[in-house]
Amino acid sequence: AQSVTQLDSHVSVSEGTPVLLRCNYSSSYSPSLFWYVQHPNKGLQLLLKYTSAATLVKGINGFEAEFKKSETSFHLTKPSAHMSDAAEYFCVVSEGTGGYNKLIFGAGTRLAVHP
Amino acid sequence: DAMVIQNPRYQVTQFGKPVTLSCSQTLNHNVMYWYQQKSSQAPKLLFHYYDKDFNNEADTPDNFQSRRPNTSFCFLDIRSPGLGDAAMYLCATSSQGGSSGSWPDTQYFGPGTRLTVL
Repeated sequence: AQSVTQLDSHVSVSEGTPVLLRCNYSSSYSPSLFWYVQHPNKGLQLLLKYTSAATLVKGINGFEAEFKKSETSFHLTKPSAHMSDAAEYFCVVSEGTGGYNKLIFGAGTRLAVHP
Repeated sequence: DAMVIQNPRYQVTQFGKPVTLSCSQTLNHNVMYWYQQKSSQAPKLLFHYYDKDFNNEADTPDNFQSRRPNTSFCFLDIRSPGLGDAAMYLCATSSQGGSSGSWPDTQYFGPGTRLTVL
């Protein structure tokens, strides 16, 4: 069975400093991986996805993630945090079976951005 | 813009009083999902429709039902809400191929309906 582990439940950064949200996955084959963001009382918005085309994936709002098979990691980064980045971030692996994809969510990382 | 719409955004119901949450989509996706998300937790899949085929997760309580009258609409019915059912309910859609081994595709989420049970 596939799974994801988000290594930090809370991350706090200052505005303008880099962001690193860590995610490790477990999969018996080449996975599809996603990062979603959720602002308070809102739905989930797709930041980026990896589907084996390129190991460095660029997403929206300046975020990117690098797939490292040797480390089974898919960490999310951003060079410079903005106040509007404060939200909950979910690392997700897709368990694709015939017909539909089941999303396996990590527990989430709450990002706080301070002035 | 193509999107996933959920109504209402906030729903208050009484203990034991049936409630229906609505989801519609303009993406023309063939798969629709319902998730339950409790405070400070990850979303939990309740069930999904692949076209008209209903697929229940093994641990979804019988209290939760769903209907999909057409491609665009999907409803979540909670027959007798309990205090433990207070949560955010998220609808999502995706476009899937029909053959086994097809590439998983992205799920697009609506804004959610926050359910309060009094």
